[in-house]
Amino acid sequence: NAGVMQNPRHLVRRRGQEARLRCSPMKGHSHVYWYRQLPEEGLKFMVYLQKENIIDESGMPKERFSAEFPKEGPSILRIQQVVRGDSAAYFCASASQGSPQPQHFGDGTRLSIL
Amino acid sequence: KNEVEQSPQNLTAQEGEFITINCSYSVGISALHWLQQHPGGGIVSLFMLSSGKKKHGRLIATINIQEKHSSLHITASHPRDSAVYICAVIQGAQKLVFGQGTRLTINP
Repeated sequence: NAGVMQNPRHLVRRRGQEARLRCSPMKGHSHVYWYRQLPEEGLKFMVYLQKENIIDESGMPKERFSAEFPKEGPSILRIQQVVRGDSAAYFCASASQGSPQPQHFGDGTRLSIL
Repeated sequence: KNEVEQSPQNLTAQEGEFITINCSYSVGISALHWLQQHPGGGIVSLFMLSSGKKKHGRLIATINIQEKHSSLHITASHPRDSAVYICAVIQGAQKLVFGQGTRLTINP
């Protein structure tokens, strides 16, 4: 998948725990997007980040979810106090500067909540 | 009504057949992606296009901006083409809005 690295590939958490999903964009890409795919549903936009900035978080649930893309290191999607309904595949995509640019996707993190 | 509609939702065909998947959208866009997702797998971007037609191997994508419609064609289909194909439009600052996907099965 063209160099976008997501980890872990699979993550199991118990209700109430925290989940941290990581995404390293392709080399040279400064734009990161997070998408969620609930079971048997389509993909939905969550958040768009550039280095140290959240550009659009209109798809993020208002509580328990946060995202960051620090100056150094991967982008992190953090889910606090997970619930069963958070079980989904979370995909990260990255793109270079300029609009529009093709987005390159990672392999996703499958989050399962026990 | 979804902003991005795909048809058909499911498509089964025999190996060698010519395949067409359609995508209609109701919002202003800057470009459109066709994506491929295998079961349990990641997502691969097949095309991004904002006008006209693009071809890559046996895959062809077209878009008509005035009619707000795009098609993905597969020539000489093969069982390995079996996957979910997703149309996604780029709105605003590159945010993707997705269709519900078309599940394609090619039988040998």
